[in-house]
Amino acid sequence: NAGVTQTPKFQVLKTGQSMTLQCAQDMNHEYMSWYRQDPGMGLRLIHYSVGAGITDQGEVPNGYNVSRSTTEDFPLRLLSAAPSQTSVYFCASSYKRSAPQFFGPGTRLTVL
Amino acid sequence: GENVEQHPSTLSVQEGDSAVIKCTYSDSASNYFPWYKQELGKRPQLIIDIRSNVGEKKDQRIAVTLNKTAKHFSLHITETQPEDSAVYFCAASRPDTGNQFYFGTGTSLTVIP
Repeated sequence: NAGVTQTPKFQVLKTGQSMTLQCAQDMNHEYMSWYRQDPGMGLRLIHYSVGAGITDQGEVPNGYNVSRSTTEDFPLRLLSAAPSQTSVYFCASSYKRSAPQFFGPGTRLTVL
Repeated sequence: GENVEQHPSTLSVQEGDSAVIKCTYSDSASNYFPWYKQELGKRPQLIIDIRSNVGEKKDQRIAVTLNKTAKHFSLHITETQPEDSAVYFCAASRPDTGNQFYFGTGTSLTVIP
């Protein structure tokens, strides 16, 4: 099992550009989440999904979109990148709610 | 929503000593409290967790205690080793809000050989 995978590992964008961060898991987990990690602020939930076709907003959803067409994939879209979105992004999955989450390796995003 | 506070933000201990990290939470409905360890440049990894129907849980040198009345939980690491040096995060979630986890701001632990 590859667990949770994320691509790309690093990305540099210019303000206003859009892009999609990819996340996939091969553990048949229903629950998937996206977090951003900023220095001194811990991990903050952007969006989450409790199954294919179901997504909801977390603490900091503005500027991001998600969709969940399959159990395996949960992409995160930045619509119009801003410098405030410079961060490390982690995807995570779990087999049920309030259960251990498995994190992907992260994507380090810089917006100039 | 839930608010999780974590202290201290940095902690230095001598090898072999114990380390304690404390978290408080605000939502009395939260019932699951995991702890994650994150080494520099790596992903967070679960090290131990506890549910609200349990007061204490132990796994070798690591233990977690939960006080539901006071709404706080703590991570205890005994006989610390240099490889314990990392950032530790606590988190809380409640069962009825999808899969929302609220994380503390992290504690950077340094174990001095």
